[in-house]
Amino acid sequence: GAGVSQTPSNKVTEKGKYVELRCDPISGHTALYWYRQSLGQGPEFLIYFQGTGAADDSGLPNDRFFAVRPEGSVSTLKIQRTERGDSAVYLCASSHPAGGPPSYNEQFFGPGTRLTVL
Amino acid sequence: GDSVTQMEGPVTLSEEAFLTINCTYTATGYPSLFWYVQYPGEGLQLLLKATKADDKGSNKGFEATYRKETTSFHLEKGSVQVSDSAVYFCALTPGGYNKLIFGAGTRLAVHP
Repeated sequence: GAGVSQTPSNKVTEKGKYVELRCDPISGHTALYWYRQSLGQGPEFLIYFQGTGAADDSGLPNDRFFAVRPEGSVSTLKIQRTERGDSAVYLCASSHPAGGPPSYNEQFFGPGTRLTVL
Repeated sequence: GDSVTQMEGPVTLSEEAFLTINCTYTATGYPSLFWYVQYPGEGLQLLLKATKADDKGSNKGFEATYRKETTSFHLEKGSVQVSDSAVYFCALTPGGYNKLIFGAGTRLAVHP
């Protein structure tokens, strides 16, 4: 079946502009995650949704970053007043809860959106 | 806070050589441990996992054992192939949480 898809694959914007990055999870996956990967680094957690609600947004770096998932499927990561330091690859992952302790739900990653802020 | 430290790359090996990529972690509670791989031009894929102490994860000839006493999860493969060239990430999920915490990644280059 289809994997996690992200659009656009590349986004170039100017400092101070607003951007939206979209994630389409695997059908039926209730959990959705956003990560940010800077050059030469491992992915860094931003936010986790369980259904429509943000269950953990502790990784959002500041209030310029916001994410929504209004119908429990597609999610949009929104960045206001972009800064050059926001340049990175933004990764989305989804998983389907398996339940039962110790529970782990494999996270399937999308190809990412490469954001460049000039 | 919780963190993962893995050996710096790049690691350069000849085909059929033995591979070890070291990974140690700091975590409270009982984390689950993972190795993810990123092949050139592709997205992150789960390679293997272990959810409790002394568990051994294995896949595609790769192995890693969850060592609580040394807080380690070293990745090994007995005989690497050119097709194993990729970036390998060690990661954990803190006990009771779903978010992945990644190491910085180790680039492996295998030459014929």
